[in-house]
Amino acid sequence: DQQVKQNSPSLSVQEGRISILNCDYTNSMFDYFLWYKKYPAEGPTFLISISSIKDKNEDGRFTVFLNKSAKHLSLHIVPSQPGDSAVYFCAASPGNTPLVFGKGTRLSVIA
Amino acid sequence: ETGVTQTPRHLVMGMTNKKSLKCEQHLGHNAMYWYKQSAKKPLELMFVYNFKEQTENNSVPSRFSPECPNSSHLFLHLHTLQPEDSALYLCASSQVFGTDTQYFGPGTRLTVL
Repeated sequence: DQQVKQNSPSLSVQEGRISILNCDYTNSMFDYFLWYKKYPAEGPTFLISISSIKDKNEDGRFTVFLNKSAKHLSLHIVPSQPGDSAVYFCAASPGNTPLVFGKGTRLSVIA
Repeated sequence: ETGVTQTPRHLVMGMTNKKSLKCEQHLGHNAMYWYKQSAKKPLELMFVYNFKEQTENNSVPSRFSPECPNSSHLFLHLHTLQPEDSALYLCASSQVFGTDTQYFGPGTRLTVL
């Protein structure tokens, strides 16, 4: 049973618009959440994280929102750029155990 | 050199071969991980080492054998693999085991014929 779900395998967005990537989780013990970005032929790179004591974390064009009651996480990218085209993985951990990853969402930003 | 490096980047092997994947981290981290990424599947955690001690083995077949001689190096020894083992194998490290940002290497693309 998947504990971290990214239900959209792909997303296309026009350059300059907002990209919203979604992630749902089932384990209420998760208290730390991360987003990773992966280009082809490269390993995932850390993008942004959030702990369960916050509901929002912002870093430049990237903002992560956490809705604990809904067990839902989202990543907003504003404005989207062609270089943002990649696969985005959501990951979560309850602490003292390794991260659990979702299947990823492929984002295509169209110029 | 900085970050997490993996060699080789690509590997093609027959089912009777023995090969090893190497990972090295230059970040001073204490935990290292092996993941398998297959098409359309989540990243699958295979092994975890914390301060050179193996702490996780997620039901990985014995044809995969990890080795961690020190906190900077991690190996994955492969023997008598199956075609379904073809995947991208990723190494990662983190300062602290568990809830800590993991930094990934570029991966080894393995093809088993």
